[in-house]
Amino acid sequence: ETGVTQSPTHLIKTRGQQVTLRCSSQSGHNTVSWYQQALGQGPQFIFQYYREEENGRGNFPPRFSGLQFPNYSSELNVNALELDDSALYLCASSRVGGAIYEQYFGPGTRLTVT
Amino acid sequence: GNSVTQMEGPVTLSEEAFLTINCTYTATGYPSLFWYVQYPGEGLQLLLKATKADDKGSNKGFEATYRKETTSFHLEKGSVQVSDSAVYFCALSEGGSEKLVFGKGTKLTVNP
Repeated sequence: ETGVTQSPTHLIKTRGQQVTLRCSSQSGHNTVSWYQQALGQGPQFIFQYYREEENGRGNFPPRFSGLQFPNYSSELNVNALELDDSALYLCASSRVGGAIYEQYFGPGTRLTVT
Repeated sequence: GNSVTQMEGPVTLSEEAFLTINCTYTATGYPSLFWYVQYPGEGLQLLLKATKADDKGSNKGFEATYRKETTSFHLEKGSVQVSDSAVYFCALSEGGSEKLVFGKGTKLTVNP
């Protein structure tokens, strides 16, 4: 069983640029959630995708957007990067259908905005 | 809104010491509760979970009991090892939602 993978591992961007982060969900999972983890903080929910549609969103501006593909992989796009966007971005996959949802996290992408 | 409060770290213990990391929550409904662990340079791993009041989650010697009356889910381990050094996050998700709300994390260092 393949776990959740994310790419790239590290990324350095300049303020105002755009970035795309990628996530491949665990085999058999159909839901992907994205979280932002600032240094020394707990992860913050950005949004979730199920059946290729956004299914819940946290308190993040519209310049954070995403996609889910038919194979359940996902992208997180961030436009007009700001310094405060520097963080570890975590992707988590899960399978809708059970009573309790367990999310499995990838290793994350470390984004630095200069 | 829903929130999770964890004890401030860092926590430093000697090997074989007893561990408690406090976690309390605020939620409008009946949340499921989780402990996640993050080892250096890695993503989050689910350590244990509990889905209703009085449930006890356990894994790898760690335990936590869902206490509705005190809105708590404290993590305990009777004898820690150096390999338990990591950051521990308490989290909740409310019924029907997969959105996880995390505490700020507690860094544990275990010295030999």
